[in-house]
Amino acid sequence: ENVLTQSPGTLSLSPGERATLSCRASQSVAKNYLGWYQQQPGQAPRLLIYDVSNRATGIPDRFSGTGSGTDFTLTISRLEPEDFAVYYCQQYATSPLTFGQGTRLEIK
Amino acid sequence: EAHLVESGGDLVQPGGSLRLSCAASGFTFSSYWMNWVRQAPGKGLEWVAIIRQDGGEQLYIDSVRGRFTISRDNGKRSLYLQMNSLRAEDTAVYYCAGGTGWLTESWGQGVLVTVSS
Repeated sequence: ENVLTQSPGTLSLSPGERATLSCRASQSVAKNYLGWYQQQPGQAPRLLIYDVSNRATGIPDRFSGTGSGTDFTLTISRLEPEDFAVYYCQQYATSPLTFGQGTRLEIK
Repeated sequence: EAHLVESGGDLVQPGGSLRLSCAASGFTFSSYWMNWVRQAPGKGLEWVAIIRQDGGEQLYIDSVRGRFTISRDNGKRSLYLQMNSLRAEDTAVYYCAGGTGWLTESWGQGVLVTVSS
């Protein structure tokens, strides 16, 4: 099983600041099949980034993904009030598909 | 735009059974791999199972293999999860999700399953 570890667990920032979220895999993620999701309270997750760096339909360009192998990063360039949520990374290359434990992005 | 609606969630006793359904619209259902993903109260996301477009391949997380069965009916544009021998630790919101390949692009709103006596 490819275990994904996200850091930090909680990130406290202000609107307008830059957010950097990390996801580390226990094994190399094949074919760069690594995605990022945003989840607001009481809502379903929403796909932000797929294949490490491709933005999903309708996702603003302040969201960007980078990385390869076992280390991946989601960057939000300038935080908007609606960006404060929980973020999950997921690998969909090998079964079982796995998610990281999440990073909570909160308003400072 | 893809639209997924889950149903069938309920309160069930340990050892009991439940069948979840997911109705799909707005996309070519028969072209998508489909998944069930769950989220225990206050916890993170956990992938449960996936089924190929034609239903010919299913994969499961170890903790549900042999108890849960994922299936689909492409004619009815529907996904199912038959859950048997339910345990307290199966209590969660269950999401139906699908996409091209194993990527979960589109998600339903989720349905709550509570296993308790």
